[in-house]
Amino acid sequence: EPEVTQTPSHQVTQMGQEVILRCVPISNHLYFYWYRQILGQKVEFLVSFYNNEISEKSEIFDDQFSVERPDGSNFTLKIRSTKLEDSAMYFCARSSGQEAFFGQGTRLTVV
Amino acid sequence: AQSVTQPDIHITVSEGASLELRCNYSYGATPYLFWYVQSPGQGLQLLLKYFSGDTLVQGIKGFEAEFKRSQSSFNLRKPSVHWSDAAEYFCAVGARAAGNKLTFGGGTRVLVKP
Repeated sequence: EPEVTQTPSHQVTQMGQEVILRCVPISNHLYFYWYRQILGQKVEFLVSFYNNEISEKSEIFDDQFSVERPDGSNFTLKIRSTKLEDSAMYFCARSSGQEAFFGQGTRLTVV
Repeated sequence: AQSVTQPDIHITVSEGASLELRCNYSYGATPYLFWYVQSPGQGLQLLLKYFSGDTLVQGIKGFEAEFKRSQSSFNLRKPSVHWSDAAEYFCAVGARAAGNKLTFGGGTRVLVKP
């Protein structure tokens, strides 16, 4: 099973700060995603990315969030002005078709 | 809109006993169906998937799942549970198109008694 590597594994940030979560998927996959899981809750879709642009986003993915694939390899999720409720596990995923493979996640703690 | 329900929040099972986790979905057509497992502090690992064909699908770690269209269900089973199967299990549904998002159920946490 191809790897998806996420960095950092855990990040603690002050409320109001910007964070960037990184994902290194296999470059020949077409689709990339970010999901999040607030502690004790279900995994929720945030955004999908195809052909270097957003293909779908959820209502959670507001102007506070942005994604990009700046160098054709890394796939990043930026959260501007973090809030306490942004504390969650963030998962990157990639797919070449129907099934998605997930990374190990980044646990974001906003204090 | 697609949705997934996992009715059991927690299940406790003895090691060596059988396990069945329930999953019901709501979707306008036949979706793609998945089961993922999440061990404590870990990511989501794909156990198995159903796209088409045989409604009984085999996965990794000795798991299987059966798609029942009439019941809108995709229950996960394992004949004999090992202590290492203690984890949280998520059922997910995706539209029948490449690249579409997954919608997850709330998860079932499995505890294994020695």
